[in-house]
Amino acid sequence: DGGITQSPKYLFRKEGQNVTLSCEQNLNHDAMYWYRQDPGQGLRLIYYSQIVNDFQKGDIAEGYSVSREKKESFPLTVTSAQKNPTAFYLCASSRMLSGARYEQFFGPGTRLTVL
Amino acid sequence: QQPVQSPQAVILREGEDAVINCSSSKALYSVHWYRQKHGEAPVFLMILLKGGEQKGHEKISASFNEKKQQSSLYLTASQLSYSGTYFCGTEDTGTASKLTFGTGTRLQVTL
Repeated sequence: DGGITQSPKYLFRKEGQNVTLSCEQNLNHDAMYWYRQDPGQGLRLIYYSQIVNDFQKGDIAEGYSVSREKKESFPLTVTSAQKNPTAFYLCASSRMLSGARYEQFFGPGTRLTVL
Repeated sequence: QQPVQSPQAVILREGEDAVINCSSSKALYSVHWYRQKHGEAPVFLMILLKGGEQKGHEKISASFNEKKQQSSLYLTASQLSYSGTYFCGTEDTGTASKLTFGTGTRLQVTL
């Protein structure tokens, strides 16, 4: 089955540690995204990538870093510079074609808790 | 700036109708609608494009008023499965892949 996988589902880290969240897709989508969701809030865009080896900052990129070395993978690192990293992190992907608009497919999410 | 959704929450009895609104302060290229059940990933419902084209769910309809920078999602004859939080995502930069999501509308359908 095609889809997006995120691992782990739950992640606990001590304050001050960097942590990397995994996101893999086998949908052959060009674009991938990372969102952060806090309780009662909408989804806020952290980073997005439209093509391999290229990515752009979203609305809340400070304290986060990403890489896009392979089309199917878009890992997110939450660094110690992120002031309040405890949140639900969602990865998504979509097709890309000039002039067209496509829906985003979301992974199951990783719930990160920093102790 | 996030689009504003209204109402923030609504409770319906099964079979009743609801309208969820999404309003932006920016000119919009497209509006996406998603539904998220508690603890799960958002699921795509609908895309509305400038010029009137729509893609999406058969049983849910929506409108997009480009001049008013608003979109509305219409849920008719609601079912228990419609319960969840509804988000609109707006494209305001012309970058097709970059969406800004609203804070959501929580919908609960009861018997």
